[in-house]
Amino acid sequence: KQEVTQIPAALSVPEGENLVLNCSFTDSAIYNLQWFRQDPGKGLTSLLLIQSSQREQTSGRLNASLDKSSGRSTLYIAASQPGDSATYLCAVKTGNQFYFGTGTSLTVIP
Amino acid sequence: DAGVTQSPTHLIKTRGQQVTLRCSPKSGHDTVSWYQQALGQGPQFIFQYYEEEERQRGNFPDRFSGHQFPNYSSELNVNALLLGDSALYLCASSLAGGAVNTEAFFGQGTRLTVV
Repeated sequence: KQEVTQIPAALSVPEGENLVLNCSFTDSAIYNLQWFRQDPGKGLTSLLLIQSSQREQTSGRLNASLDKSSGRSTLYIAASQPGDSATYLCAVKTGNQFYFGTGTSLTVIP
Repeated sequence: DAGVTQSPTHLIKTRGQQVTLRCSPKSGHDTVSWYQQALGQGPQFIFQYYEEEERQRGNFPDRFSGHQFPNYSSELNVNALLLGDSALYLCASSLAGGAVNTEAFFGQGTRLTVV
């Protein structure tokens, strides 16, 4: 069974800092990987989708990489802002379902 | 584009009751998946509907059932509610049966509290 782990569980940084969130998964036979953002008590907002054949995707200040063979992905956030404070979830798609990590709770301090 | 919409947003039910949650997928999407997210956990896959049929099911008991309508909207039904069913229920929509290269979009969720 696919297992997804996210490290760290929580992170607190001053505004303006660059940061990296990590995601690892046990089964490399994935179709794609998505990074999501979740605000407290809310749904999921898709940030980036990386297909299994891709190495990275970029959107604005966000960059996600994928190393399928080693079962790892990273989400890089540049020049963090207080509005980036949220929980970030990594999800890998195998078959028809996503397997999620438990997320990294990010706090950006003004 | 309204995106994925779920109703109701919040719900309180008593143990043993039954509940129905609703989801309208993003415009043009034909596939709906349901997830349960307990507090502090990542979402867990319940099942997926495509062409009005349950296509795949996660590790959830038969108390959890669903339906997809011809307009692609979907319902999640939970019977004989337990306290442990309290969670945020998320609906995700995608295209083409959730084909491998398609992006999934999630709704804002329904917060179910069982007392």
